[in-house]
Amino acid sequence: NAGVMQNPRHLVRRRGQEARLRCSPMKGHSHVYWYRQLPEEGLKFMVYLQKENIIDESGMPKERFSAEFPKEGPSILRIQQVVRGDSAAYFCASSPAQLPVGTEAFFGQGTRLTVV
Amino acid sequence: KQEVTQIPAALSVPEGENLVLNCSFTDSAIYNLQWFRQDPGKGLTSLLLIQSSQREQTSGRLNASLDKSSGRSTLYIAASQPGDSATYLCAVSFSGGSNYKLTFGKGTLLTVNP
Repeated sequence: NAGVMQNPRHLVRRRGQEARLRCSPMKGHSHVYWYRQLPEEGLKFMVYLQKENIIDESGMPKERFSAEFPKEGPSILRIQQVVRGDSAAYFCASSPAQLPVGTEAFFGQGTRLTVV
Repeated sequence: KQEVTQIPAALSVPEGENLVLNCSFTDSAIYNLQWFRQDPGKGLTSLLLIQSSQREQTSGRLNASLDKSSGRSTLYIAASQPGDSATYLCAVSFSGGSNYKLTFGKGTLLTVNP
């Protein structure tokens, strides 16, 4: 059973471009969580999705950021018109049921976004 | 505000030493607490998960304790090895409507010198 797969592992974008980060949860997991780790900071919750539904996006910046988890395919975190402050590591986690009851989250390797 | 703090930010020890990493949290109403390991440029590996009803969990040379009343957890590493060098993260699931969120500390960067 493969773990949580994120791609790309590293992404370089120029200011103003779009960044698309992908996350394939573990097999059988229908709950996905995105976290962002800014330099010298702890991981911060961004958004919680189930298949085709956004459950909680309270940690997402109001502009330029969006997330989806379609019925088929990976979850996508999209950042439009990237700025230097978006440079960070973005981690995805998945779980078979809503945390934290009886389960835990499994994290991917992360995507390191660099905006130049 | 629900926060998680880890002290020290960095720790350097000689190989073979026993060591303790500290984690404190501002709200004693927690669902569980988890310790992770993060290697440079890599993802998070779960080490130990302690439910709020538990006092400690052990895995090999690792032992994590939980004291909800004082808002503290410690990660004890016995007989440290150079391979233990990594950043150790503490994450708390606070009770309440959003307990699916993990609140992370900034981590302790551990270096074990051969």
